[in-house]
Parts: sequence; C-alpha cells; structure tokens
Amino acid sequence: AQSVTQPDIHITVSEGASLELRCNYSYGATPYLFWYVQSPGQGLQLLLKYFSGDTLVQGIKGFEAEFKRSQSSFNLRKPSVHWSDAAEYFCAADGPGDSNYQLIWGAGTKLIIKP
Amino acid sequence: ETGVTQSPTHLIKTRGQQVTLRCSSQSGHNTVSWYQQALGQGPQFIFQYYREEENGRGNFPPRFSGLQFPNYSSELNVNALELDDSALYLCASSDPTSGSTDTQYFGPGTRLTVL
Repeated sequence: AQSVTQPDIHITVSEGASLELRCNYSYGATPYLFWYVQSPGQGLQLLLKYFSGDTLVQGIKGFEAEFKRSQSSFNLRKPSVHWSDAAEYFCAADGPGDSNYQLIWGAGTKLIIKP
Repeated sequence: ETGVTQSPTHLIKTRGQQVTLRCSSQSGHNTVSWYQQALGQGPQFIFQYYREEENGRGNFPPRFSGLQFPNYSSELNVNALELDDSALYLCASSDPTSGSTDTQYFGPGTRLTVL
C-alpha cells in the first residue's frame, strides 16, 4: 500500500541551528512529493514540491528538500532556523498519473525551537 | 487573487446531528478536495470534486457527502455525527489544467467538535 512516513514525531533545535526533517515514501513509482507547514490554528501552507528533474528543490522561507530515489526519501532542510519556524511539518505524496490527485500524508513532525 | 476560505471557523454539535461545512476555492480553481485531520495526525482524504462531479473518494462512510457548485465553491455534509468526527476539516483547491499539477492550496479549516 502507498504510504508516507515521518519517523520523528517531534524535533527540538536551537534557534540558529540547522534542521533536517525526514520523510520516506512507499509507492510503486516515484510519486510527486510535497512539504507543507501548519502553524497552530492555521491551514496548511505549501513549502515546496518535487515532480521531476533536479533532485534538490528550493522552497519558501529558506527551506529546501532533496529527493533521493535510492532511499525513497524526501528530507526537508533549513540551514538556520528561526523561532517563527516552530510549527508542524507534513510530508505528502501523490502518485503520478493518479486521476484524483489524492494526497497521502505523513503523520507530521512538530518542530520546537529552543531560544 | 483570493485564497481558499472556509466557514464556519469553529462548530460544536451533538451526536446524531447533521453539519454542513463550506469552502470557497481559490480564484480559477475547478477542483476541490476535502480532508479530515484528527488531533495529532496528518490529514485523511475524504473526497474530491472536479467540475461538480465527485472525482475520487477516500475511506469514509456514505454519511460524508459533498457538493460542488458552478462557481466551484463546495460543501461537506456529515450526517448522524459521531464523537470520532471531531476534527479539523480542511478544504483544498487546485487547477489540474494550470500546469501546476497536483498542487493543492488549503484553507484555514473548520474545527468541528462533537459532544
């Protein structure tokens, strides 16, 4: 079955430190991949997406993600986090050629920033 | 260009009641998807509408139903509410013909509490 796994329920990093959030997928073929961020009480905001081509994808707010086919991973990174980055981060996938654009979601990783 | 909007923001119902949630798509988007997000979990796909027709459904019972109107706004109806229906309900719009395949833009959600 298709699935998306975010192994870390929560991660704590110091402000100014680097960040990597993990995402692994299980699909028959390489899916389209997304990272969304959800702040408390807010909807989901798209950070970046990967469809094909360059495996290093740049997004908004200084985030980037790297697609690694051999590891079935799409990890999110940021060189230096800010307190405003505290939120929940979701990785999602959609099978290419699917007719209904159904997103399969990971359970999320809550990012906590230490001052 | 307006984003996705949802109403109401919060709603409290009792078991057995019926509820209608509303969503206005981002301008020009003809596809609407609904998701249920229980506390501490990732969103779960409920169904999607494309040009007023249901275009895919997740693992939700028939008491979850929807409509899409000619202006592409949408409703989610839930009958015979159960306690487990308490969740954040998210609406997302997209335009598969725009070239941004599968990119969904989310509203802020409706928080439903069933007592």
